Amino acid sequence: GDSVTQMEGPVTLSEEAFLTINCTYTATGYPSLFWYVQYPGEGLQLLLKATKADDKGSNKGFEATYRKETTSFHLEKGSVQVSDSAVYFCAFYGQNFVFGPGTRLSVLP
Amino acid sequence: DSGVTQTPKHLITATGQRVTLRCSPRSGDLSVYWYQQSLDQGLQFLIQYYNGEERAKGNILERFSAQQFPDLHSELNLSSLELGDSALYFCASSETQGFTDTQYFGPGTRLTVL
Repeated sequence: GDSVTQMEGPVTLSEEAFLTINCTYTATGYPSLFWYVQYPGEGLQLLLKATKADDKGSNKGFEATYRKETTSFHLEKGSVQVSDSAVYFCAFYGQNFVFGPGTRLSVLP
Repeated sequence: DSGVTQTPKHLITATGQRVTLRCSPRSGDLSVYWYQQSLDQGLQFLIQYYNGEERAKGNILERFSAQQFPDLHSELNLSSLELGDSALYFCASSETQGFTDTQYFGPGTRLTVL
């Protein structure tokens, strides 16, 4: 069935480090892909999205590219900040809206 | 602040009871989505309404139901509650009915079933 796999973390990085959070999906057809972020005590916010193969979503220094051949949508940021500490969810919409388990990121000063 | 409001913020109840969670979407948004976030199941999409009509259904139990009213606010009704229903319930809204449209999430209602 449809599913999302992402590294579960927690991931702890120092400020200005490079971030990669891996995400792969199993779905029929060509779903739309999303990254959502949840800051402590808040609801989710859409971080970026890509709706077709080879699209690159970007926002706030984060990027992810829709790779159809590897069914992946890895999240990257070149230099993380303390304010990026949050839980990051990979998700897709195909037949249904499916979320990954979330990856907790802690960035230390 | 996303502009989506949810009430109540916290709810504590007993097994077998029934509760109603309320959501007011952002001004102008026609779609409302309900999600459940629990430690066991993670984040799950429950149901979507668009302009008063059910649009999409996810992993919503038969004990749960929802509706969207003419003023576009929505209610999620949970009945015959079980311990496993304890979770954070989020509502989100968007302008259109498409899931690729940006969804704005409310702060959530934390339900505790004792």
